Amino acid sequence: DAKTTQPPSMDCAEGRAANLPCNHSTISGNEYVYWYRQIHSQGPQYIIHGLKNNETNEMASLIITEDRKSSTLILPHATLRDTAVYYCIVFYGSNDYKLSFGAGTTVTVRA
Amino acid sequence: NAGVTQTPKFQVLKTGQSMTLQCAQDMNHEYMSWYRQDPGMGLRLIHYSVGAGITDQGEVPNGYNVSRSTTEDFPLRLLSAAPSQTSVYFCASSYSTGVYGYTFGSGTRLTVV
Repeated sequence: DAKTTQPPSMDCAEGRAANLPCNHSTISGNEYVYWYRQIHSQGPQYIIHGLKNNETNEMASLIITEDRKSSTLILPHATLRDTAVYYCIVFYGSNDYKLSFGAGTTVTVRA
Repeated sequence: NAGVTQTPKFQVLKTGQSMTLQCAQDMNHEYMSWYRQDPGMGLRLIHYSVGAGITDQGEVPNGYNVSRSTTEDFPLRLLSAAPSQTSVYFCASSYSTGVYGYTFGSGTRLTVV
């Protein structure tokens, strides 16, 4: 499995966009990029995933570079409830059933 | 509400006791898995199942058993609890190999004394 690198922590002002970077320089062509988040003491929550195109849903946007070696999760208007640990995961999908969670990025949204 | 249900939410065991952590999902998901989360360690995969009757080991399987007799249920058994198994346990499920995203339960906080 490809490894990911995320900053350990970041702060964001409420109402502003939060841009969470992730490096995955060894990603292979058939591996997806997934983002999950974990709010304190709760189970991880799926946010979004993509292969090579940018993706957007009601929670966030995912921007994947053309070479697929890095990506950015964008929370367009961060709220206090977005304070959580965010995990970037690369995942093969078709024959791989095992999500590998790293340490993630602890995002603190401040009023 | 549809989702992944874990019971109990909290449990205290004495060393050497056995118990079963329950996990049930009502979404007809094929794939189910168990993770443990320890401070500073992230989530680590214990066991997983790709369908009824099929299970396999994850990253940290020692001390745990699983079975999958139905699509809905995936219990995790601790045969002889040890203090090192003190952790928060999460069950997760997905339609397929996770392409559509895993749904996690709310967790079981286990303390072994």
